[in-house]
Amino acid sequence: NSKVIQTPRYLVKGQGQKAKMRCIPEKGHPVVFWYQQNKNNEFKFLINFQNQEVLQQIDMTEKRFSAECPSNSPCSLEIQSSEAGDSALYLCASRTGASQNTLYFGAGTRLSVL
Amino acid sequence: GDSVTQTEGLVTLTEGLPVMLNCTYQTIYSNPFLFWYVQHLNESPRLLLKSFTDNKRTEHQGFHATLHKSSSSFHLQKSSAQLSDSALYYCALSPSGGNYKPTFGKGTSLVVHP
Repeated sequence: NSKVIQTPRYLVKGQGQKAKMRCIPEKGHPVVFWYQQNKNNEFKFLINFQNQEVLQQIDMTEKRFSAECPSNSPCSLEIQSSEAGDSALYLCASRTGASQNTLYFGAGTRLSVL
Repeated sequence: GDSVTQTEGLVTLTEGLPVMLNCTYQTIYSNPFLFWYVQHLNESPRLLLKSFTDNKRTEHQGFHATLHKSSSSFHLQKSSAQLSDSALYYCALSPSGGNYKPTFGKGTSLVVHP
């Protein structure tokens, strides 16, 4: 069973509000991913970290999101100004270093932007 | 870049019939890892099976898949569908080594009815 912990499970925000969600990766997993699962159930990659460093991120994340993975604290993903189109399930996943290793997913944070 | 193409949308089956979900991929890397993840309703995605070895059948929980590099395919099969197999299925690809982000297909929703 996955031990990736995401909080909160549900988040409701108004348009323009900040929305922040957190993730504690599985112990010993230095690589953390954030995905957005949209209403069509597609996974959209947002950003990934190795330890505290950003490895890759998409343009939208760079412009509208704030994300970090500090040492000894949960990783976080924050939308600076929520839009209706941000309503989705946000999944955090972690793995050990090499890219062929399995991703372990958290239960997700479901964001609703009203 | 890499891409993964799956059987799109919804697949509906009667219990007891065989399951086949298609997955083909494109990559510049010669030794990719291929994965199938499964996500049941209101649960987080988890690994179903993965493979690296050409032409070797991989099995788990009644499902099996064989990586065929000649046709760039990794189709998921099961001989007899069960009601509990109803879920979302995602095919994914990662190059071996390094620290690359996996590429996911758009997902296939499998519904098994009595």
